[in-house]
Amino acid sequence: NAGVTQTPKFQVLKTGQSMTLQCAQDMNHEYMSWYRQDPGMGLRLIHYSVGAGITDQGEVPNGYNVSRSTTEDFPLRLLSAAPSQTSVYFCASSMRTSSYEQYFGPGTRLTVT
Amino acid sequence: KNEVEQSPQNLTAQEGEFITINCSYSVGISALHWLQQHPGGGIVSLFMLSSGKKKHGRLIATINIQEKHSSLHITASHPRDSAVYICAVSQGGSEKLVFGKGMKLTVNP
Repeated sequence: NAGVTQTPKFQVLKTGQSMTLQCAQDMNHEYMSWYRQDPGMGLRLIHYSVGAGITDQGEVPNGYNVSRSTTEDFPLRLLSAAPSQTSVYFCASSMRTSSYEQYFGPGTRLTVT
Repeated sequence: KNEVEQSPQNLTAQEGEFITINCSYSVGISALHWLQQHPGGGIVSLFMLSSGKKKHGRLIATINIQEKHSSLHITASHPRDSAVYICAVSQGGSEKLVFGKGMKLTVNP
């Protein structure tokens, strides 16, 4: 199993550009989430999904969209990038039957200039 | 006040020392997670516990539900233990986690 994969690993955007961060898992986990990690702050939840076709907002959802058309994939879209979205983004997955033990992707480092 | 507090924020130790990292939380929880993040690296789940104690190799995690407190102990510390250790809690069987800010551990040879 590849676990949780994320692409790209690094990305530089200009203000106003849009892009999609990809996340995929091959463990048949029903729960997937996106976090951002900023210096001096804990991981913060952006959006999450409890299954295909179901998504909900987390703590910091503004400026981001998600969709979950399949169990495996959970892309995060930045609609119009802003410097405040410079961060490291982590995707994670888990399943209820393992008490939501978290499996994290390797992260995407995004810089918005 | 954050729902999950970790102390200390930074810790430097010498190889071989016994290390304790603390986590306190202010909400009712269904489980507490300890995670490890190496510099420039991804995040790995170390433990998930809702009561008592768990041990894996040189790592021991304990939780006291009444006092809303958990500790992560590292015995015979090694430079490869240098990482950020993150505490997170889940509430009421929810899949959503609330994270502490993490504690940066440096173990010098």
